[in-house]
Amino acid sequence: SAVISQKPSRDICQRGTSLTIQCQVDSQVTMMFWYRQQPGQSLTLIATANQGSEATYESGFVIDKFPISRPNLTFSTLTVSNMSPEDSSIYLCSVKPGTDRETQYFGPGTRLLVL
Amino acid sequence: GDSVTQMEGPVTLSEEAFLTINCTYTATGYPSLFWYVQYPGEGLQLLLKATKADDKGSNKGFEATYRKETTSFHLEKGSVQVSDSAVYFCALSWDQKLVFGQGTRLTINP
Repeated sequence: SAVISQKPSRDICQRGTSLTIQCQVDSQVTMMFWYRQQPGQSLTLIATANQGSEATYESGFVIDKFPISRPNLTFSTLTVSNMSPEDSSIYLCSVKPGTDRETQYFGPGTRLLVL
Repeated sequence: GDSVTQMEGPVTLSEEAFLTINCTYTATGYPSLFWYVQYPGEGLQLLLKATKADDKGSNKGFEATYRKETTSFHLEKGSVQVSDSAVYFCALSWDQKLVFGQGTRLTINP
């Protein structure tokens, strides 16, 4: 498995502003993922972030709205840009350790409320 | 595309009751299957998994068997506790990604 931390754990933001969420892993991993969980809903994959390449975004998510950085094998950031109340969600990062090709392990999530 | 369908919640049981949460999937290949649990205010934790047909995943008294013939991965526990109250997500792994069901909220009353 892997130990994953996220910062901030929660935030309240004003519409029109941006928030950058950090994800730190205790070991080097090739594949990192960012998910969104809207209130009372399931998880939706935003993008896959591999070190050394551009993030791959899922349908309905664009880089201008959710820019992602992946500077090394233990760290990634997701920015939620020009926020609106509809962006209020839990944002979770996950990793796939090299020892297990199938299983993803999740961070504790960042709870975002946009007013 | 691949998809996961879970039993609709919420589910409310008394302590020591038997639990089943149904999960069925649609997939073109042979995915790995997972159950994740989300306790109140927390992220997702891996509960159990199975990687091929007839595998049984188990953890913390929970079990699920990968049934290819019925494309199912139902979660069961023989005697639930108040501490099992959480949201449970069934998921499959496809093309390096996880596809989640809608989640089932479980409440256990003392």
